[in-house]
Amino acid sequence: AQKVTQAQTEISVVEKEDVTLDCVYETRDTTYYLFWYKQPPSGELVFLIRRNSFDEQNEISGRYSWNFQKSTSSFNFTITASQVVDSAVYFCALTLNTDKLIFGTGTRLQVFP
Amino acid sequence: SAVISQKPSRDICQRGTSLTIQCQVDSQVTMMFWYRQQPGQSLTLIATANQGSEATYESGFVIDKFPISRPNLTFSTLTVSNMSPEDSSIYLCSAHPIGGTDTQYFGPGTRLTVL
Repeated sequence: AQKVTQAQTEISVVEKEDVTLDCVYETRDTTYYLFWYKQPPSGELVFLIRRNSFDEQNEISGRYSWNFQKSTSSFNFTITASQVVDSAVYFCALTLNTDKLIFGTGTRLQVFP
Repeated sequence: SAVISQKPSRDICQRGTSLTIQCQVDSQVTMMFWYRQQPGQSLTLIATANQGSEATYESGFVIDKFPISRPNLTFSTLTVSNMSPEDSSIYLCSAHPIGGTDTQYFGPGTRLTVL
């Protein structure tokens, strides 16, 4: 069975601090896809990144970066120089066949000014 | 990407009634998905809706409670039937754009409160 674990329930930081959100996944399949979504207080789910299991290259997009390590089954997300607008719940998700998304329980990030 | 809209954005309903949620995509998509997010919880897939066939329901969800329609490649509805307070949740639809990268894009969600 597949599973996604986000052990950090809630994180609070002060603006401009760097913060890393952890994601650990479980699957026996060799082909899978990993995602991060952001859910601001308004409720919509915003797609941030998609990674397939054959691409371990880390990615940077502005203040966001992702560290994918198959050896530890982790797909961690770092926000550099956090801002108040980064306050949201962040979900990590896994899919095998690009259909059913299996979500972690989410990490609530609060960034204080 | 795909732009997805949902109606209504929120509603307050009485126990025992039904509510139909609409999901519209700005482009043709193969599959559409309906998720439920109970208060403070993660998202759980209710069912997958393909155009021209019956929806496929996940364990714990049944068609009588959550009937789904998919009349064309850009539209779907989810009905929450005979509602109880336990159905109070955010209901989100998502879709894969045809020819896209298999990423699911989500609608803004429908916040349902059942009294």
